Amino acid sequence: NAGVTQTPKFQVLKTGQSMTLQCAQDMNHNSMYWYRQDPGMGLRLIYYSASEGTTDKGEVPNGYNVSRLNKREFSLRLESAAPSQTSVYFCASSEALAGGASPLHFGNGTRLTVT
Amino acid sequence: QKEVEQNSGPLSVPEGAIASLNCTYSDRGSQSFFWYRQYSGKSPELIMSIYSNGDKEDGRFTAQLNKASQYVSLLIRDSQPSDSATYLCAVRSGGGADGLTFGKGTHLIIQP
Repeated sequence: NAGVTQTPKFQVLKTGQSMTLQCAQDMNHNSMYWYRQDPGMGLRLIYYSASEGTTDKGEVPNGYNVSRLNKREFSLRLESAAPSQTSVYFCASSEALAGGASPLHFGNGTRLTVT
Repeated sequence: QKEVEQNSGPLSVPEGAIASLNCTYSDRGSQSFFWYRQYSGKSPELIMSIYSNGDKEDGRFTAQLNKASQYVSLLIRDSQPSDSATYLCAVRSGGGADGLTFGKGTHLIIQP
């Protein structure tokens, strides 16, 4: 069972370069999420997609764009990378049950360094 | 601003003892509560979920919820060295598709 798959696992970018982080889930979940995790800051929500065709900003959306390509795939794009975007990025998915009783299932993460 | 607070630790517990991890949250309307375990360099994995006041037990783990006090806790009985990790408290305040708000985590060390 693959669950949530993220690519790439590691990436080094120079300031100003662009890249797209890919995420796919095979659990038939409706909702997908992008988080970043920084030392001392915990996990912070960047963007999420409640269902196919919708996206919404989270706590820290500036500098990022997202695309919900279909029910399985949710990508995160950095148009012009900055050193402040050095972080570990996690994609997650959720069944999104009514009442909020569904947990998030996380991918293995992408470790991004911007120099 | 919805906040979830945890003591960052490290919390050091002898092997075989009970580890007690605590979490408070600011949004009184929060409905769902989760505990995740994260090993260094790995992704968070779900340990427990709890939705109503009281205790919920699953093996060596017990989650406790007190909505009046806005307090969630996780007890780990018979602690093992493999339990050494960072434990993240997470809260969902809104609807079923809303993201979770995470605390910064408590670093737990089980001493053999």
